[in-house]
Amino acid sequence: GDQVEQSPSALSLHEGTDSALRCNFTTTMRSVQWFRQNSRGSLISLFYLASGTKENGRLKSAFDSKERRYSTLHIRDAQLEDSGTYFCAAEALNYAQGLTFGLGTRVSVFP
Amino acid sequence: DPKIIQKPKYLVAVTGSEKILICEQYLGHNAMYWYRQSAKKPLEFMFSYSYQKLMDNQTASSRFQPQSSKKNHLDLQITALKPDDSATYFCASSQELTDNERLFFGHGTKLSVL
Repeated sequence: GDQVEQSPSALSLHEGTDSALRCNFTTTMRSVQWFRQNSRGSLISLFYLASGTKENGRLKSAFDSKERRYSTLHIRDAQLEDSGTYFCAAEALNYAQGLTFGLGTRVSVFP
Repeated sequence: DPKIIQKPKYLVAVTGSEKILICEQYLGHNAMYWYRQSAKKPLEFMFSYSYQKLMDNQTASSRFQPQSSKKNHLDLQITALKPDDSATYFCASSQELTDNERLFFGHGTKLSVL
């Protein structure tokens, strides 16, 4: 079946530093979404991309428009509140009714 | 205020019992979904509903039965519970079935089966 591979599995960041998370897909995808799950388990949608890049504050995401087989999420100037588990989820070209999620990247930001 | 309400937040059940997970959304959405997150596994799509009709079922077991008594409700009945069913179950909704750009999640129900 379709697979979504996220890397790294865990990330420790000093406050103020920049980093990037990546999602690779084993097949061409229609779109990708990024979510953050906080310590209470709530999932919050960060970005939805069908192509190109989007930016929101210190977060920026890109979806490879050519082959549509990977996406990145950049965190700039990391803050403590950025801590959480980040999931990417992809929608296949031929399957529009559900998302396939990666295992997540656990991000810990410390002072 | 949460717009997608899941009840209960935590649930402990014994093997073989039956439980119902409640989900109500107040976003006026027409599509609702259930996802499951088990330990050390990716978040997993289970069901999708559109206008109260089942659209897709990716759950192998018939022990999982969604129930939509009202347009903004999608409950999940689980029968003959097993320890492997232990997971956090997330309800989600979107305006329309293919409108995955605006997918909203509830806070989840954490189910532990002993």
